[in-house]
Amino acid sequence: RKEVEQDPGPFNVPEGATVAFNCTYSNSASQSFFWYRQDCRKEPKLLMSVYSSGNEDGRFTAQLNRASQYISLLIRDSKLSDSATYLCVGNNAGNMLTFGGGTRLMVKP
Amino acid sequence: DGGITQSPKYLFRKEGQNVTLSCEQNLNHDAMYWYRQDPGQGLRLIYYSQIVNDFQKGDIAEGYSVSREKKESFPLTVTSAQKNPTAFYLCASSPSASQGTEAFFGQGTRLTVV
Repeated sequence: RKEVEQDPGPFNVPEGATVAFNCTYSNSASQSFFWYRQDCRKEPKLLMSVYSSGNEDGRFTAQLNRASQYISLLIRDSKLSDSATYLCVGNNAGNMLTFGGGTRLMVKP
Repeated sequence: DGGITQSPKYLFRKEGQNVTLSCEQNLNHDAMYWYRQDPGQGLRLIYYSQIVNDFQKGDIAEGYSVSREKKESFPLTVTSAQKNPTAFYLCASSPSASQGTEAFFGQGTRLTVV
């Protein structure tokens, strides 16, 4: 089983829709998590950090559920520019970053 | 400007050749990483280093080698032993070896074997 797993998608949604991605992790020692955004043929860029019970940044909300070992990313009022691959990342003991395979989002007019 | 720089952006290699990918950061970060990404796939860890003169194998280290002689630099050599080296290589750094620190990526090197 992979340490961090994501549904690869693609998620095809219309502009203005709300979309949610889940990510499960197997290492209960993981202390902090991140969501990165990666555009086609580009490097990943940090979207949000998820440290405790979750956090919100504008249209984006990240939640952490330690009991069930998953984190989620909610995007409200989707824009065309939100189309990208979203990578879930765990940061476990030893500072090793473990990436999920990514979830592809396509927002359509 | 502070950041992490990879070079070259594109690299072509003949079969049987070793090539070295450069990664430099001026962020004063302790930890540095090398990842490989294949089309449509996630990132896989090749090597990582938490401190100068120390590095550890990741999940797919075979056919690769690294060095960490300076804090700022973490070059990756793709050797002829790597049977399928064509991929997108990403270098990253993070502030310290403690938990809870996000990583920052370079722009990547796209390696193609010809």
